[in-house]
Amino acid sequence: DGGITQSPKYLFRKEGQNVTLSCEQNLNHDAMYWYRQDPGQGLRLIYYSQIVNDFQKGDIAEGYSVSREKKESFPLTVTSAQKNPTAFYLCASSLTTGLAGNEQFFGPGTRLTVL
Amino acid sequence: KQEVTQIPAALSVPEGENLVLNCSFTDSAIYNLQWFRQDPGKGLTSLLLIQSSQREQTSGRLNASLDKSSGRSTLYIAASQPGDSATYLCAVPPYGANNLFFGTGTRLTVIP
Repeated sequence: DGGITQSPKYLFRKEGQNVTLSCEQNLNHDAMYWYRQDPGQGLRLIYYSQIVNDFQKGDIAEGYSVSREKKESFPLTVTSAQKNPTAFYLCASSLTTGLAGNEQFFGPGTRLTVL
Repeated sequence: KQEVTQIPAALSVPEGENLVLNCSFTDSAIYNLQWFRQDPGKGLTSLLLIQSSQREQTSGRLNASLDKSSGRSTLYIAASQPGDSATYLCAVPPYGANNLFFGTGTRLTVIP
């Protein structure tokens, strides 16, 4: 059964703590993305990766870090430098980022709450 | 920078009614436009993808149109059902960019 999985579904973070959100896909997609969703706002891009061992910052990368050591995995770390991390985090993937257009598919999301 | 707007922000209709959701974008240089559905607390489900060379795309009771020159897209839902209740989002990937710019969505409620 192909798709994108994210874990955990809910995550609680204490002040000053780093936490890592998991994203795995078995669609054999080259590109993966992390978005943040806040109430009343559209999704905003945090980081994206077009290929293994390569990634670029999105619009709101400050306070976040990522890695892409395997094609199927793109974990996101929310560091203590992110001052307002409470949000719904969505991971996505697409076959390619080429000019032909890239339909993106999304995971179920992780809701992060700062205590 | 690309800006995507969806109006109305919320819409309530009785079951069985046909309805139209609107999406507008400021930069017409786009690869395609994608419509998504999001249920409360869930991820996004892709509904339709319209390539920039296409005028419309259909899937079941859903029909999406694209007018690049005017920067508009519409999502038409025929014979609405209570199960259609969700937030509908449109998104565009501009030329030269590798991400999607999203609207804030239209929250649809279909009343039985």
